[in-house]
Amino acid sequence: DTEVTQTPKHLVMGMTNKKSLKCEQHMGHRAMYWYKQKAKKPPELMFVYSYEKLSINESVPSRFSPECPNSSLLNLHLHALQPEDSALYLCASSLSPGTSGSYEQYFGPGTRLTVT
Amino acid sequence: GESVGLHLPTLSVQEGDNSIINCAYSNSASDYFIWYKQESGKGPQFIIDIRSNMDKRQGQRVTVLLNKTVKHLSLQIAATQPGDSAVYFCAERGGSQGNLIFGKGTKLSVKP
Repeated sequence: DTEVTQTPKHLVMGMTNKKSLKCEQHMGHRAMYWYKQKAKKPPELMFVYSYEKLSINESVPSRFSPECPNSSLLNLHLHALQPEDSALYLCASSLSPGTSGSYEQYFGPGTRLTVT
Repeated sequence: GESVGLHLPTLSVQEGDNSIINCAYSNSASDYFIWYKQESGKGPQFIIDIRSNMDKRQGQRVTVLLNKTVKHLSLQIAATQPGDSAVYFCAERGGSQGNLIFGKGTKLSVKP
């Protein structure tokens, strides 16, 4: 099973709303990632979790708050977003975040977020 | 600065022909590269990867070539099919945490 699942598939939210994106994998991967992808652009890294600890925050605004409750789950909490935050949010996981093992990342289908 | 880029933003090929998608990278210390296929409305799908200690790696209908001398990566798709139509991204490992740095992407269109 090489599946990463994300919910919801689509989300429309106002600028004053609070919502959460969820990601789940059951491959035993110990690294999980959030990427943001604008239309016709490549994915851009937001956060990396390594063994359930935040290891990289790519200077993401505080209105995005990641959480890793356990090794299988990754959340992205959203609050007071701006219309320019509308994008496809992708979750990915990989076996090992370190210098050994497989670096292959498996991506979920993404959550299409629209901020109105 | 460090970047991974692509030579061509779009590529149109006839069904049955071979496709070659190119990618240039600037960090000579990069040790791992990966190709993804992304269809409309979907997440990136792993195609093939290669480590810097290799020059070539083959998969099913796909081959990745790595030329470290000129810092160039290519993806070859044999007998291209309509189902191969998608955007293709190359990416390099960005650091010890395994994060990937993506190139700009090439849109492949296959004409029947």
